[in-house]
Amino acid sequence: AQSVTQLDSQVPVFEEAPVELRCNYSSSVSVYLFWYVQYPNQGLQLLLKYLSGSTLVKGINGFEAEFNKSQTSFHLRKPSVHISDTAEYFCAVSKNYGGSQGNLIFGKGTKLSVKP
Amino acid sequence: DTEVTQTPKHLVMGMTNKKSLKCEQHMGHRAMYWYKQKAKKPPELMFVYSYEKLSINESVPSRFSPECPNSSLLNLHLHALQPEDSALYLCASSQERKGPRETQYFGPGTRLLVL
Repeated sequence: AQSVTQLDSQVPVFEEAPVELRCNYSSSVSVYLFWYVQYPNQGLQLLLKYLSGSTLVKGINGFEAEFNKSQTSFHLRKPSVHISDTAEYFCAVSKNYGGSQGNLIFGKGTKLSVKP
Repeated sequence: DTEVTQTPKHLVMGMTNKKSLKCEQHMGHRAMYWYKQKAKKPPELMFVYSYEKLSINESVPSRFSPECPNSSLLNLHLHALQPEDSALYLCASSQERKGPRETQYFGPGTRLLVL
């Protein structure tokens, strides 16, 4: 079965500091990993995804993530955060139903709070 | 255009009411999804439509009834809901070509309160 674990429910950080949001996955098959961000009272927006190839993935808003197969991790990083990065971040793995659809299985989320 | 729209933004209904949530996309996506998100929880899949046919029902109670009248529209009909059904209902869509590798695009959600 596929699942993701987000190790931190809350991460407080000061503005302009670096941040890492941790995500570990378990999967017995090929894995496709996603990071989504949810701003207050909004839907989810894709930050980045790993499908194959280069293990360092760059996304929007200066975020990047590194796929590490040996450690089954897909941690999200940003070298310098801004107040506007305050949001809930979800790591997700895509489950293949065997047909042509996928389904996202989300981690429990990490609330990033950026303080001035 | 990567926008998924949902109406209404907020909905308050009694347990005997019948209401519908609407979702629309014009990206040519042939897969559409309904998710339920309780407060401070991750989204959970409810239904998946593929080429206007229901392909996945994650054991959702029959008081939730999805409908896909065409490739751009997705409805969720609500009847005799319970207070524990109060949540944010998210719609998403994606291309079908690459299945699980496709990005899902989410709407802003409908916040439902059942009294």
